[in-house]
Amino acid sequence: GQNIDQPTEMTATEGAIVQINCTYQTSGFNGLFWYQQHAGEAPTFLSYNVLDGLEEKGRFSSFLSRSKGYSYLLLKELQMKDSASYLCAVMDSNYQLIWGAGTKLIIKP
Amino acid sequence: NAGVTQTPKFRVLKTGQSMTLLCAQDMNHEYMYWYRQDPGMGLRLIHYSVGEGTTAKGEVPDGYNVSRLKKQNFLLGLESAAPSQTSVYFCASSSAAGGADEQFFGPGTRLTVL
Repeated sequence: GQNIDQPTEMTATEGAIVQINCTYQTSGFNGLFWYQQHAGEAPTFLSYNVLDGLEEKGRFSSFLSRSKGYSYLLLKELQMKDSASYLCAVMDSNYQLIWGAGTKLIIKP
Repeated sequence: NAGVTQTPKFRVLKTGQSMTLLCAQDMNHEYMYWYRQDPGMGLRLIHYSVGEGTTAKGEVPDGYNVSRLKKQNFLLGLESAAPSQTSVYFCASSSAAGGADEQFFGPGTRLTVL
């Protein structure tokens, strides 16, 4: 079966750094996406990785290791507005996205 | 440029009633998707479309039907609603199925079936 695992909830402090992990087992791999979803809102795109390594975009970075079936999203200089759920999704061999349940990130002052 | 819009935003149905959810996008995207999102679970694909006039089943298609008569619109129908269909429904669109083409999501429809 196909499976995406990520922690249910994490807590971090404003100004700090947090790493959200995602492990996956899917039938085929055509890229990994991270989305942000604020409570009651739609998911919005954060990053895409298809090759191993780190992709940096401002305060957010995403890492991929295809051999380990592993990715992480790194958020630096945390702000209160970063309180949201972070969704990991893998595009499988049929070009369909398989979604994790999301990690709820709580930022404390 | 509204992106992806969904109507209605909220709806309460009784078991056995029918309804249609409308999704519209103004980005000229070929691909459109209907997902449901339930607490503690990832988004699950109900049906999708790779172009005008085409539809295909996703992971959880039972109890739902779809139509894509116009490129910009993707309709999701519930013929006989059941309490198990209580969920938040998201429509999404993308320009292509693969590569780095992100999916753009609508604001969601919160459906309760009593």
